[in-house]
Amino acid sequence: QQQVKQSPQSLIVQKGGISIINCAYENTAFDYFPWYQQFPGKGPALLIAIRPDVSEKKEGRFTISFNKSAKQFSLHIMDSQPGDSATYFCAATPTGTASKLTFGTGTRLQVTL
Amino acid sequence: KAGVTQTPRYLIKTRGQQVTLSCSPISGHRSVSWYQQTPGQGLQFLFEYFSETQRNKGNFPGRFSGRQFSNSRSEMNVSTLELGDSALYLCASSLTVSVQRAGANVLTFGAGSRLTVL
Repeated sequence: QQQVKQSPQSLIVQKGGISIINCAYENTAFDYFPWYQQFPGKGPALLIAIRPDVSEKKEGRFTISFNKSAKQFSLHIMDSQPGDSATYFCAATPTGTASKLTFGTGTRLQVTL
Repeated sequence: KAGVTQTPRYLIKTRGQQVTLSCSPISGHRSVSWYQQTPGQGLQFLFEYFSETQRNKGNFPGRFSGRQFSNSRSEMNVSTLELGDSALYLCASSLTVSVQRAGANVLTFGAGSRLTVL
């Protein structure tokens, strides 16, 4: 049973554009939502994370928007750059088991010139 | 500061064999988690160890096992390999098992061990 649904599967954005990746979860016990970035040949790296007590968190060009009532959260990459081309995974976990992440299926982002 | 080190990086086995993968966490990190990454199933949690004790376990058969040593290094073992076990096996380390302390539980992943079963 997939508990975190991620879309789109792939995304092509022009340089300078906004990349938006969406995730939805089912398990109401989830209360920690990180996003990971993975480049080919590398392991995933934490990009940004949010807890449900805030609706938005911004770090540089990356913003997470969180809608607790809809059980949805999204990643926005502003001013997308070719170096952002990677696979992005949303994830979720309950507090106290933060290493047991449930991942989304991933979004392959390509930023073109 | 050295990152998470996984060995070997690549290996090829045949069905029925067993394999042992090793993970050295970041110095000072006491929690080690293992994930399986495949194109079909994505990233799936295998198990987590903290202070040499298994704290959490995913939905994998008993052929998948692990352990953690007193220096926090961890190994995972897969016995009686099947074709479907071909995957990238990722190890991640963190300071603790909880997010109670903000920023204390960032999972840092290694580059993985790519297992091919023929």
